[in-house]
Amino acid sequence: SQKIEQNSEALNIQEGKTATLTCNYTNYSPAYLQWYRQDPGRGPVFLLLIRENEKEKRKERLKVTFDTTLKQSLFHITASQPADSATYLCALVYNSGNTPLVFGKGTRLSVIA
Amino acid sequence: EAGVAQSPRYKIIEKRQSVAFWCNPISGHATLYWYQQILGQGPKLLIQFQNNGVVDDSQLPKDRFSAERLKGVDSTLKIQPAKLEDSAVYLCASSLDTAGGDGYTFGSGTRLTVV
Repeated sequence: SQKIEQNSEALNIQEGKTATLTCNYTNYSPAYLQWYRQDPGRGPVFLLLIRENEKEKRKERLKVTFDTTLKQSLFHITASQPADSATYLCALVYNSGNTPLVFGKGTRLSVIA
Repeated sequence: EAGVAQSPRYKIIEKRQSVAFWCNPISGHATLYWYQQILGQGPKLLIQFQNNGVVDDSQLPKDRFSAERLKGVDSTLKIQPAKLEDSAVYLCASSLDTAGGDGYTFGSGTRLTVV
C-alpha cells in the first residue's frame, strides 16, 4: 500500500539556522507533491507544490526538492524565525487526475530564539 | 477572498449520539473534500466531491458516516451513531479543480469529542 513517512516527529533548531524536513514515500509514482503548514487549532495552509519533472522550487525563504529516484522530498526554511514554529505536512497526489491528496503525519518544528 | 467556513468549531457528544458538520467552500471551487485528523496524525480523506457528485468515498465508514453536497456548494458530514474513536478534527477543504494543482484551502475544522 502507499505510504508517506515524515521521518522526524519533532525538530528543534536555533533561530537563524536552516531547518530541513524530510518526506519519503513508497509505492507511489506521484504526479506532484505539496507542503503545508499547520498551526495548533487551525487547518493546514498550502505552501508549495513541486511536480514530478521538477527538481527544485523556491518561494521566499522556502525551498523544496524532489528526488523521484530516492522517492524523497526535502523542505528547507532558511534564516528560520520563531514565527516559523508549526507542524509541516507533506502530501502527495499520485495521479494527475482525480485522486485526492494523501498526507504524511507531519513534523513539528520549533525554532528557538 | 473569504476562506472555507466550517461550523461548529467544537462539539462534544456522547457515544451513540448523532452529529452533523457544515462546510461552505470558497466560491467557484468545484472540488470539496472532508478529511479526518486524529491527534498527532496527518489528515485522512473521508470523501471527495466534484460539484455535487462523489468522486472518492472509499475510506468513508458508510455504516455510520454520510455526506452530501447539495447544489454543488455547501456540504454536510454526518455521523450516526458516533463511537469513541470518532473523536478527531474534521477538516473541510476545497480546490479549484480535481487536480488540486494550486493547493487545497482548508477550513479551521470542527473538533469532535465523543465521551
